[in-house]
Amino acid sequence: DAKTTQPNSMESNEEEPVHLPCNHSTISGTDYIHWYRQLPSQGPEYVIHGLTSNVNNRMASLAIAEDRKSSTLILHRATLRDAAVYYCILRGTTNAGKSTFGDGTTLTVKP
Amino acid sequence: NAGVTQTPKFQVLKTGQSMTLQCAQDMNHEYMSWYRQDPGMGLRLIHYSVGAGITDQGEVPNGYNVSRSTTEDFPLRLLSAAPSQTSVYFCASSYSNKNTEAFFGQGTRLTVV
Repeated sequence: DAKTTQPNSMESNEEEPVHLPCNHSTISGTDYIHWYRQLPSQGPEYVIHGLTSNVNNRMASLAIAEDRKSSTLILHRATLRDAAVYYCILRGTTNAGKSTFGDGTTLTVKP
Repeated sequence: NAGVTQTPKFQVLKTGQSMTLQCAQDMNHEYMSWYRQDPGMGLRLIHYSVGAGITDQGEVPNGYNVSRSTTEDFPLRLLSAAPSQTSVYFCASSYSNKNTEAFFGQGTRLTVV
């Protein structure tokens, strides 16, 4: 199964944009790129997903490289409530039900 | 609409005891999965199911059993608890369509002494 690679940790100042990178160089043509985040003492929650085009929703934006080997989750104005572990995973035709998570990126937001 | 419900929220077991962690979803999702999360680590897949009557192993299946007799329920059984199974357990569900999101329960915190 295709794997993803993320930095262990990142820091941001409150109200500044945050760009969280993810590498997925072995992604297949039909894999969707999904992002989840996990707030302290909670289960993961969905953030955004996409296939090829950049995507926006009320929580974040997802920028996908043209070759799809990397993507970036963009939080336009970080708040203290955005401090969490962010996971980038791939969901494909054969593995949609068994997505594997890496260790994710721990985002610290400084006031 | 309750989403994914896990019970119990907390549990302490003695080494060698058995128990079942419950997971139920009310969204008619085909896919359900169990993960464990050790302190400071990411989630590791234990078992998953793509529909009623169909289950398969994930990354760390040893010491755990699952069954899926209905679409709604996906219990995780610990056969003989060991201290190494101390962890937080999360259940997830989703439609089979890879273009849809997964939903997670709030977790069961298990301590084996």
